[in-house]
Amino acid sequence: AQSVTQLGSHVSVSEGALVLLRCNYSSSVPPYLFWYVQYPNQGLQLLLKYTTGATLVKGINGFEAEFKKSETSFHLTKPSAHMSDAAEYFCAVIPAHTNAGKSTFGDGTTLTVKP
Amino acid sequence: DTGVSQDPRHKITKRGQNVTFRCDPISEHNRLYWYRQTLGQGPEFLTYFQNEAQLEKSRLLSDRFSAERPKGSFSTLEIQRTEQGDSAMYLCASSLSASGSDIQYFGAGTRLSVL
Repeated sequence: AQSVTQLGSHVSVSEGALVLLRCNYSSSVPPYLFWYVQYPNQGLQLLLKYTTGATLVKGINGFEAEFKKSETSFHLTKPSAHMSDAAEYFCAVIPAHTNAGKSTFGDGTTLTVKP
Repeated sequence: DTGVSQDPRHKITKRGQNVTFRCDPISEHNRLYWYRQTLGQGPEFLTYFQNEAQLEKSRLLSDRFSAERPKGSFSTLEIQRTEQGDSAMYLCASSLSASGSDIQYFGAGTRLSVL
């Protein structure tokens, strides 16, 4: 079974500051890992994903995440926050050994960006 | 590419009534997923289809829930004898291939309120 823990249900940063959203996962098999963003009244949009290969993954809108197997983490970062980054962010895991694509999501982190 | 569309966007019903939601995936996408999202939580997997075949159902999907994808294109999710606990956002997603790591594109969801 898989599970995802997102530490901090709310994160607030100032515009221009570093964004760090934490995600730890539990999986008995190698995972595929994803970060999604959800704006109000919209569906989830993929920011980035890790499947295999390079552990530092770059995504859209300047976000990146690093897969650290020893720490079972996949934290999301952005060097400089923009007002438009305010949204809810979800981390998700899929077991790599199946083709089901059945995602297990964390409970989300709401990012607030202060001017 | 018009994206994943869901209809209706909002549904208010009385306890005990039946409701049906529709999802139109991105054209030619083979996979279609249904998730449920309650306030303050991440999406939870309900079921998924590969073409017209329903390949997996979550234990969350009680006998009152049924999903179909008759021609491998659009899908419907029906809830019979609705209960207040069914109040949630129902999300649909689709992906092109049969790979578990393929990007899932989400619709904006149908918000169900059971009074």
